[in-house]
Amino acid sequence: EPEVTQTPSHQVTQMGQEVILRCVPISNHLYFYWYRQILGQKVEFLVSFYNNEISEKSEIFDDQFSVERPDGSNFTLKIRSTKLEDSAMYFCASSPEERAGVGKETQYFGPGTRLLVL
Amino acid sequence: QKEVEQNSGPLSVPEGAIASLNCTYSDRGSQSFFWYRQYSGKSPELIMSIYSNGDKEDGRFTAQLNKASQYVSLLIRDSQPSDSATYLCAVIDFGNEKLTFGTGTRLTIIP
Repeated sequence: EPEVTQTPSHQVTQMGQEVILRCVPISNHLYFYWYRQILGQKVEFLVSFYNNEISEKSEIFDDQFSVERPDGSNFTLKIRSTKLEDSAMYFCASSPEERAGVGKETQYFGPGTRLLVL
Repeated sequence: QKEVEQNSGPLSVPEGAIASLNCTYSDRGSQSFFWYRQYSGKSPELIMSIYSNGDKEDGRFTAQLNKASQYVSLLIRDSQPSDSATYLCAVIDFGNEKLTFGTGTRLTIIP
């Protein structure tokens, strides 16, 4: 069964460094998402991406964050200057292009990247 | 602020019994409702989706939706120790794409 994959599984970085988290969505999916989950807290939406542009973003997704689809398979999240509070699990998700009706999307999650900022 | 509320638990259920998980949501514009299971340190795994009022069954799982009461629930029949996990309720609002998650209910199945 097709799966969303993410690399690396773990990333340790120093505060102020840039990190790039990578995702390979399910191959026939065209909607892509990033979520994060701080330890012990709820899963939070960061950004959605469709047709090579951001379609929706949360207030968390400020100027230090960016997303890119550099080729036909990868979807990346870049954090330019990491802060201690960016330490979290970052999940990539994807959903199919076809919409059975607005709001009927089903999102499938990758295994996550655990980011630790020191 | 749109909210999805769940009892954080822990909810302890004997093996073989029915586990009942509940979720309420604040926005009447919510259109799509999902239950995800999350094992500790892992990613959310989709269990069920439901869009219309009533019940939807899939194996041992039944999702129930009541839009008038803004309430969605998940029943797990014949609970197994492997069902021990945190269950996340999530909603998507009409015209939006993002999932809004509750904090999750931690379920423990006692052998």
